[in-house]
Amino acid sequence: DADVTQTPRNRITKTGKRIMLECSQTKGHDRMYWYRQDPGLGLRLIYYSFDVKDINKGEISDGYSVSRQAQAKFSLSLESAIPNQTALYFCATRDRGYTGELFFGEGSRLTVL
Amino acid sequence: SQQGEEDPQALSIQEGENATMNCSYKTSINNLQWYRQNSGRGLVHLILIRSNEREKHSGRLRVTLDTSKKSSSLLITASRAADTASYFCATIYGSGNTGKLIFGQGTTLQVKP
Repeated sequence: DADVTQTPRNRITKTGKRIMLECSQTKGHDRMYWYRQDPGLGLRLIYYSFDVKDINKGEISDGYSVSRQAQAKFSLSLESAIPNQTALYFCATRDRGYTGELFFGEGSRLTVL
Repeated sequence: SQQGEEDPQALSIQEGENATMNCSYKTSINNLQWYRQNSGRGLVHLILIRSNEREKHSGRLRVTLDTSKKSSSLLITASRAADTASYFCATIYGSGNTGKLIFGQGTTLQVKP
């Protein structure tokens, strides 16, 4: 099984719908991240969490919200999806240590029509 | 934006040749990391170089860091078709243990057999 699991892997939805992307990890890391990837723009940080009670906005948090239900689970929600939120979304985890290496899930491809 | 910038955006070479990718960043960093992404997949960590290091090797990978120029390069020697992927640099801004990992826009490498 993958260390960082994202569900769903693919989702097509309509404008205005509420969408939740889920991430769970078995690495025991306390830091979790949500990134968005668009062609030619690299990865942009949406939200990150250092523990269950510590959640922080990233570069592009508008239109998104998150929930850290447990150390192992970090969900990303789009309250009212719009077409320009069509993208590939990645969850990642990092240990507390200094090295900062991120471990990524396989991504959730979201299409908003 | 605190993103790094990568150069070139795309690179096409023949198998056996060396591939060099460059990354520039904007502010002081704790370390710089390189990641690889196969098409549509999650990113995988390749190598990390700390701000007090100038060069690091890992197999066919060689990374250099010039903090005075705020730039890094990734050299892949004796490239193989399996090296075809996108490569991203990432830097941590803020204090090392709590900083955010910000990614560049990536270089897409194609290695022709």
